[in-house]
Amino acid sequence: EVQLVESGGDLVQPGGSLRLSCEAAGFSFNVYSMNWVRQAPGKGLEWIAYISTSGTAIFYADSVKGRFTISRDNAKTSLYLQMTSLRDEDTAMYYCARARGSGHYALQDWGQGTPVTISS
Amino acid sequence: EMVMTQSPATLSVSPGERATLSCRASQSVSSHVAWYQQKPGQAPRLLIFDASTRATGISPRFSGSGSGTEFTLTISSLQSEDFAVYYCQQYHGWPPVYTFGQGTKLEIK
Repeated sequence: EVQLVESGGDLVQPGGSLRLSCEAAGFSFNVYSMNWVRQAPGKGLEWIAYISTSGTAIFYADSVKGRFTISRDNAKTSLYLQMTSLRDEDTAMYYCARARGSGHYALQDWGQGTPVTISS
Repeated sequence: EMVMTQSPATLSVSPGERATLSCRASQSVSSHVAWYQQKPGQAPRLLIFDASTRATGISPRFSGSGSGTEFTLTISSLQSEDFAVYYCQQYHGWPPVYTFGQGTKLEIK
């Protein structure tokens, strides 16, 4: 059974930093590209970051480019999102999601999400 | 910039009837469209990928169609568990940017 378990969400002040983690199990982590998707309260889904199987290809949505960093550790079967210069509008549930393959594919499996709140 | 536009925003349908949800891409995305279902307090669930292929374990009551810029998700004989928010998403080309529609809320009439 595929499992994706996010952690690290918290209440942070504007301008602060946070690191999210996503632990994967039940599949060969190193052969799938991975993504982070977020959802602000009462709003729709927003893709924010992609990382290839080896971590050499990384892409971001414009809304987080330059502030967020996606990374992965295939040995630890884990995905990460380092978030800096946080803003009120970054408040959201953050999901990690596995693509259906090693490239640009639909998002097959999702974690349960970890909540991030940015507020003073 | 790619935009995915879903219609209607809210759809009211009676149980047992058919629901048809639409999604339009601002430029051609070939068949690289997925549909997701999201219930309150839950993560999204993949229903359809490549415009018309059902994901593993998805009921045959769910079907997808379309290519290019126009896509449809059809849910036949609606059941209580189908009332949720549905999102379309494109994943066409490179770089691997994903774009979601704003969602259609399917509610009980």
